[in-house]
Amino acid sequence: DAGVIQSPRHEVTEMGQEVTLRCKPISGHDYLFWYRQTMMRGLELLIYFNNNVPIDDSGMPEDRFSAKMPNASFSTLKIQPSEPRDSAVYFCASRSSGRSYNEQFFGPGTRLTVL
Amino acid sequence: DQQVKQNSPSLSVQEGRISILNCDYTNSMFDYFLWYKKYPAEGPTFLISISSIKDKNEDGRFTVFLNKSAKHLSLHIVPSQPGDSAVYFCAASTGGFKTIFGAGTRLFVKA
Repeated sequence: DAGVIQSPRHEVTEMGQEVTLRCKPISGHDYLFWYRQTMMRGLELLIYFNNNVPIDDSGMPEDRFSAKMPNASFSTLKIQPSEPRDSAVYFCASRSSGRSYNEQFFGPGTRLTVL
Repeated sequence: DQQVKQNSPSLSVQEGRISILNCDYTNSMFDYFLWYKKYPAEGPTFLISISSIKDKNEDGRFTVFLNKSAKHLSLHIVPSQPGDSAVYFCAASTGGFKTIFGAGTRLFVKA
């Protein structure tokens, strides 16, 4: 299995531009999570999906952020418009509800820089 | 409000000695705790976990201890190796799926 795949690995954009981050979870996993890592706040949960349905988006910082999961093998996190304070590493993770413990499998992350 | 706190941003240990990473939590409803390890330019990877009904779980060189009355858990690495140098995240969950992570502790193991 290829693991969780994220693209792009690096994104540099200018303030005000739209940014779309992509994630392909591990096949068969029914939960998908989006996290943001910053020096100040560590690893924050933004939103998670179960069977493609958003369950908890309380971590989404503001309306500029949106996430979708149109099918079991693809999810996007969009920031529109982007701001310099959005600069961070964004991780996608997935897991199966069939597992006996709570291990999540993380992708390699997308490093976003907003100038 | 940080429900999971790792108060030490970094820790430096000599190779062969014990590394102890600490984590405190505030939510008494957490029923599962995990440690993840992260190398630069990679995503976190699962290391070890413990259920709230236990107070210790061991896996090779890694042992996690849970003190529910103090709302504290720790990760012990014995003996520490240079390859253990990484960022370690403590995490906790309620009911299995929504997981709250701490800010991480960067471990340096000196050869």
